[in-house]
Amino acid sequence: AQSVAQPEDQVNVAEGNPLTVKCTYSVSGNPYLFWYVQYPNRGLQFLLKYITGDNLVKGSYGFEAEFNKSQTSFHLKKPSALVSDSALYFCAVREWGNTPLVFGKGTRLSVIA
Amino acid sequence: GAVVSQHPSWVICKSGTSVKIECRSLDFQATTMFWYRQFPKQSLMLMATSNEGSKATYEQGVEKDKFLINHASLTLSTLTVTSAHPEDSSFYICSARPTGENRSGYTFGSGTRLTVV
Repeated sequence: AQSVAQPEDQVNVAEGNPLTVKCTYSVSGNPYLFWYVQYPNRGLQFLLKYITGDNLVKGSYGFEAEFNKSQTSFHLKKPSALVSDSALYFCAVREWGNTPLVFGKGTRLSVIA
Repeated sequence: GAVVSQHPSWVICKSGTSVKIECRSLDFQATTMFWYRQFPKQSLMLMATSNEGSKATYEQGVEKDKFLINHASLTLSTLTVTSAHPEDSSFYICSARPTGENRSGYTFGSGTRLTVV
């Protein structure tokens, strides 16, 4: 069965600094990896995904993530954080087909002005 | 892009009553939809997989008689919380993606905050 680990409950970063939110995964076949962001009392907004191809994936709002097969990681990054990036971030994985997403526990990002 | 509409966005009900939550794919057809539950400051836990025209598949520990799922058309799935109790209070979110687009991510509804008093 697939699983996702987000080792950090909270990440704090100063505005303008680079940010990284960590994610590692476990899946039996080829992974389909996703990052979503959630604002309070809202659904999830899609940021980016890795299906195949380039290991560096660029997504919405300046976010990017790097797929590392040997380390089974898919860390989310942004070169320069904004206060408006403060939210709850979820990494998710699924396998091929009509399978549901399995989510990590989430990482709360706080960007301080 | 694919849009999923979830209604209502919040609801307060009395213990013992039932509440229906709707999840609609607005601009695509979805053979399969997923229902998740999220407790405060926790992750999303899959409750069930809703299949158009057939019975839903429930995750272990989810009471199928309490959480009734109906997926009568390719654009609508409903979750009914029957005989609600305060412990059913939670944030419920549905998700879907266009049928056949196996490489796509899932689009999520905006969620429903259920409070049972």
